[in-house]
Parts: sequence; C-alpha cells; structure tokens
Amino acid sequence: SQTIHQWPATLVQPVGSPLSLECTVEGTSNPNLYWYRQAAGRGLQLLFYSVGIGQISSEVPQNLSASRPQDRQFILSSKKLLLSDSGFYLCASRELAGGGELFFGEGSRLTVL
Amino acid sequence: GDSVTQMEGPVTLSEEAFLTINCTYTATGYPSLFWYVQYPGEGLQLLLKATKADDKGSNKGFEATYRKETTSFHLEKGSVQVSDSAVYFCALGGSGGSYIPTFGRGTSLIVHP
Repeated sequence: SQTIHQWPATLVQPVGSPLSLECTVEGTSNPNLYWYRQAAGRGLQLLFYSVGIGQISSEVPQNLSASRPQDRQFILSSKKLLLSDSGFYLCASRELAGGGELFFGEGSRLTVL
Repeated sequence: GDSVTQMEGPVTLSEEAFLTINCTYTATGYPSLFWYVQYPGEGLQLLLKATKADDKGSNKGFEATYRKETTSFHLEKGSVQVSDSAVYFCALGGSGGSYIPTFGRGTSLIVHP
C-alpha cells in the first residue's frame, strides 16, 4: 500500500511570512493527489487536487497555491500567510486503478501568529 | 452534486456499548463508499469500504453495508472500547467521472471506561 510523508509536522509562522508544506508519496505511481485543510471542528476542506505533473485544480480561491513538480511530490505554498491560514493540513493520494480509497499523511499543523 | 450527511456528534458511549453512526449520501452513478477514522493529532486512515450495492465492509469489529435502496452506509460496532474514541468520516468516491471524493463532516465518538 501507499505511504504518504508530510513535513514539517508542526510549524508556527508570523503573519505575512511565506509557507511551504511538502508531501511525497511512496508505493504507487501516477496517483491523484489532494491537499485538505481541517480547521477546528473536524470538517475537511479540499484546497487543491492534481491528476498529473504540473496539473493543479483549485477548489477554494485564497492566498495559497499548490505545485506538483514530480509525479509523487505535492507542495502547498503561500507567499504571505494570513491568520485564517492556521489549521491542520493533510495531503492525500489515490490510485487510479485501486479501490478508490485515499491514503493520508500524518498532517502538518500550522499556527499563524 | 454529490453529498454525504452524517449524524451530528459527539456520540458518547460507555465501554462495551453498541455503536451506530448514520450516514446517507446522494450521488450520480454508483460510487464506492468508505469510512475513515481519525485519531487525535493524526491523519485519516481507511477503516472499511464497500464498492457495490449490498457489499458489507468490515474491519476491527466495525461493519457497514452499502444500501442502494436507502442510499445509506451506516457504521456499526457491537462493543466499543475506549481505544475507539476518534472522529469517524463517511465518504464516497468520486462518481460520474469526478476525481473528487466527498466527505461527511465527521462524527466524534467518545467512549468512557
């Protein structure tokens, strides 16, 4: 099965600073990749998804961006963080030929002060 | 579009009690259905799945049956343990060619000794 690595696991950043969260996938090739944010209260908000290298779809307009420079690498970025960007960020992967389930990383907790 | 509705939580039970978490869905086509579990501070992990009508998914004592006639996928466990305390998400795989899974809002389960 797949393994999803996310880092950093925790970070505290000042408002206006840049952000880079990285996600890498092992155990599959050509997956669909997803970035979710989970604010306090549990619900998952889909931010971006990608069906291939360089192909990014945005679900929510905001000051975040995503990139997929390699097949199994997915990066979430911001040039200037806002307080409202605080949350728990989850990367997920789905095989096209698999059962359709998502494999999640352990998450990155971002606090913007 | 696709949607998933889960019962509101938190659900609070005593150890060894019977658990039911309701989940209903709307979707085009016949998507796969999933239950994910999220333990505190962690990412989501697949608990069980069902890929077609009348399939029963099961894992770790949890069960759910894909009911097309009632568009439901209720999660059950006969005897919960303290270690089952977590947030449970019902989800459906993308249907009608969509790459985007749809998640419910999550149901928090608290099990007391």
